[in-house]
Amino acid sequence: AQSVTQLGSHVSVSEGALVLLRCNYSSSVPPYLFWYVQYPNQGLQLLLKYTSAATLVKGINGFEAEFKKSETSFHLTKPSAHMSDAAEYFCAVRRPEGNEKLTFGTGTRLTIIP
Amino acid sequence: GAGVSQSPSNKVTEKGKDVELRCDPISGHTALYWYRQSLGQGLEFLIYFQGNSAPDKSGLPSDRFSAERTGGSVSTLTIQRTQQEDSAVYLCASSRMGTEQYFGPGTRLTVT
Repeated sequence: AQSVTQLGSHVSVSEGALVLLRCNYSSSVPPYLFWYVQYPNQGLQLLLKYTSAATLVKGINGFEAEFKKSETSFHLTKPSAHMSDAAEYFCAVRRPEGNEKLTFGTGTRLTIIP
Repeated sequence: GAGVSQSPSNKVTEKGKDVELRCDPISGHTALYWYRQSLGQGLEFLIYFQGNSAPDKSGLPSDRFSAERTGGSVSTLTIQRTQQEDSAVYLCASSRMGTEQYFGPGTRLTVT
């Protein structure tokens, strides 16, 4: 079985400050990990993915995440927040083979303070 | 190119009625998924189609829910005898095997 835990359902940061959204996973096999972003009344957009290659993954819009096996974490970061980053962010996990369904965390709503 | 499309974008129905939700995946994507997003349950997997294999229906919450995928392309999710707890956003995604999933904009279902 696989699961992800996102710590903090709401995170607020000032414009220009560091963004850190936390994700910890549990998996019986080496996982594939993803971060998705959802803007209001829209579907999910892939930010970045980890698929067992480089542990530091760079995504769109200046976001990156680091896979840390020892900590079972895949935290999302961005050095400098922009107003347009305000959205809901979901961490997800799936098995690398076979059934590719995603298991999502409960989401973190990011608010940017001007 | 065209992304995943879903229709209708919004659906309001009365309790007890049947509804059909449609998903058009990205051309060439062999895998298709349905998820449900609700306030109480977050994002939940419902069903997964991969090529000609038997679908994984393990996420369907009750036998009132069913889905078909015709010709390996378009999919329809059917909810019979809708209940208020079925109110949610239903998201469809598609992918090539082994690659990331691309999501549609969703269908917001409201059961009154």
